[in-house]
Amino acid sequence: DSGVTQTPKHLITATGQRVTLRCSPRSGDLSVYWYQQSLDQGLQFLIQYYNGEERAKGNILERFSAQQFPDLHSELNLSSLELGDSALYFCASSATGTSVVEQYFGPGTRLTVT
Amino acid sequence: AQSVTQPDIHITVSEGASLELRCNYSYGATPYLFWYVQSPGQGLQLLLKYFSGDTLVQGIKGFEAEFKRSQSSFNLRKPSVHWSDAAEYFCAVSMNRDDKIIFGKGTRLHILP
Repeated sequence: DSGVTQTPKHLITATGQRVTLRCSPRSGDLSVYWYQQSLDQGLQFLIQYYNGEERAKGNILERFSAQQFPDLHSELNLSSLELGDSALYFCASSATGTSVVEQYFGPGTRLTVT
Repeated sequence: AQSVTQPDIHITVSEGASLELRCNYSYGATPYLFWYVQSPGQGLQLLLKYFSGDTLVQGIKGFEAEFKRSQSSFNLRKPSVHWSDAAEYFCAVSMNRDDKIIFGKGTRLHILP
């Protein structure tokens, strides 16, 4: 158990809908990272927040957004969903804002868009 | 742009046999290098990392990796695999300590009893 929690574990929704994925980092960790894992693209970095502020951006679509709240939990919002958004979404956390320190991954949220 | 190549999508070894998973990166300078493991239904776990210094790095679960600058490689090894090592292994790189981590496509390891 990494100490990172993600809810929900599974999510099934229809195209065009909007969903919110939630992540609680390990106690004391200030950074949260979001990744998307799909069969064709592999594991792709989406975005990083550090202590409430956006720190780094990766291949995140404009339809996707994230935020980190004062209690350090984070939410990833996915809107206007398309079939191709079906994937496993991971959250990871680390103690500092430096990305190369060890990142602790949650178990993921599996999103299925039908 | 930096990239990571794991040439083997699947590898099958017998329990007790030695293992080597290959990883090549494309980047001019020495990057930060990582190996992560993903067990079925789990998130990723860091096995080991290389930043500088001794090119042979020891990790958890009996794994080690060797950085070879001349070959732009960071191969993962284990002298004797256990059935519990069956998982997907990801090599990853970062250009600097504040840059995003780029993951390879992964190598799925199967263990024969």
